[in-house]
Amino acid sequence: QQPVQSPQAVILREGEDAVINCSSSKALYSVHWYRQKHGEAPVFLMILLKGGEQKGHEKISASFNEKKQQSSLYLTASQLSYSGTYFCGTVLPGNQFYFGTGTSLTVIP
Amino acid sequence: GAGVSQTPSNKVTEKGKYVELRCDPISGHTALYWYRQSLGQGPEFLIYFQGTGAADDSGLPNDRFFAVRPEGSVSTLKIQRTERGDSAVYLCASSLTSGASYNEQFFGPGTRLTVL
Repeated sequence: QQPVQSPQAVILREGEDAVINCSSSKALYSVHWYRQKHGEAPVFLMILLKGGEQKGHEKISASFNEKKQQSSLYLTASQLSYSGTYFCGTVLPGNQFYFGTGTSLTVIP
Repeated sequence: GAGVSQTPSNKVTEKGKYVELRCDPISGHTALYWYRQSLGQGPEFLIYFQGTGAADDSGLPNDRFFAVRPEGSVSTLKIQRTERGDSAVYLCASSLTSGASYNEQFFGPGTRLTVL
């Protein structure tokens, strides 16, 4: 039931772009994105509630394709502060919340 | 308080002992989640409270784990007869009324549990 993310890890130079994908075998009613820095708790980035919805947060945006049960997170002009592990998450009926497998992002100067 | 707080921040115990982990959510948040995170893994859902009741406890790994939220605010996760495999960071999160479906979760700093 855990969403699968790809890639597992990515290394970027400052200013480069990246895409993180999240795919679920179960129907997605909403998709959440969180970022977790080493030794810290996850921090909310955004929720996408409708199929096809796109949202933006600073230079980070996301899309949600309900039919394909997929979501993608787009990071443009990456900054050093973007480093961390990114998790998508989904809610199942009953409000069980499942985090995805995670993508480790490292931005280097 | 301004955010979700958890105590203790670190807990070291011996195999077979009983431990209690406390979570104090953001005031007014009726939804509360417990997660367990092992090194290199994502948070794993344990239990969800809506108010005082456990709306979904399907993530609790076995009957050694139990959680309460008697007054709809502070929650305590209780682990009996701890095992080395219980070692992990236990995270608590709270959100507004309807839970995680439509609301962001605010996470506490976690309790690092080490079972020797």
